[in-house]
Amino acid sequence: GNSVTQMEGPVTLSEEAFLTINCTYTATGYPSLFWYVQYPGEGLQLLLKATKADDKGSNKGFEATYRKETTSFHLEKGSVQVSDSAVYFCALITATDSWGKLQFGAGTQVVVTP
Amino acid sequence: EAGVTQFPSHSVIEKGQTVTLRCDPISGHDNLYWYRRVMGKEIKFLLHFVKESKQDESGMPNNRFLAERTGGTYSTLKVQPAELEDSGVYFCASSQDLGRGDLAFFGQGTRLTVV
Repeated sequence: GNSVTQMEGPVTLSEEAFLTINCTYTATGYPSLFWYVQYPGEGLQLLLKATKADDKGSNKGFEATYRKETTSFHLEKGSVQVSDSAVYFCALITATDSWGKLQFGAGTQVVVTP
Repeated sequence: EAGVTQFPSHSVIEKGQTVTLRCDPISGHDNLYWYRRVMGKEIKFLLHFVKESKQDESGMPNNRFLAERTGGTYSTLKVQPAELEDSGVYFCASSQDLGRGDLAFFGQGTRLTVV
């Protein structure tokens, strides 16, 4: 079956540090890949997406590249801010999941300190 | 425009009791999804409504869970009787079109604690 594996958190780092959150997946077919973020007290928000191999999704300074050869979609940001503290979820949806049936990872909590 | 809203934001109930969670989707969104995150694990799909019809309920864990969407507007998810392992965060999402992940808007979730 389909699955998404993320690095465990919490990840604690200082402001302006480089952030990487690893995400690998197993899926039948050709999935679309997503990163969702949940800020404290808020709902899940789409952060970025990529729908085919070598696509790079980007938003708010975050980037992730769809790597089919390594089945990965690692999230990166060059200089984090305190406001980036949140839980980040990697997710996929396959071509057969045409009804918004997202498959999520377990989430990675990120804590950015001043 | 209001987003997806969920009620209550938190609920603490005793094992064996009944709890009803509510989700108000974005107006005009025919598709409504329920997900849950248990014990800090992955967020798992529960079911999908198209208007008032259950399109896919393959993720519902057992018959203690009942989801309804009367009139195709808001939805309720009832847990009866609640068990300890039902504790977690229940998310609702809605979309206008058949979602491709990026088209689903999520609520803030309901944190359910069963003691």
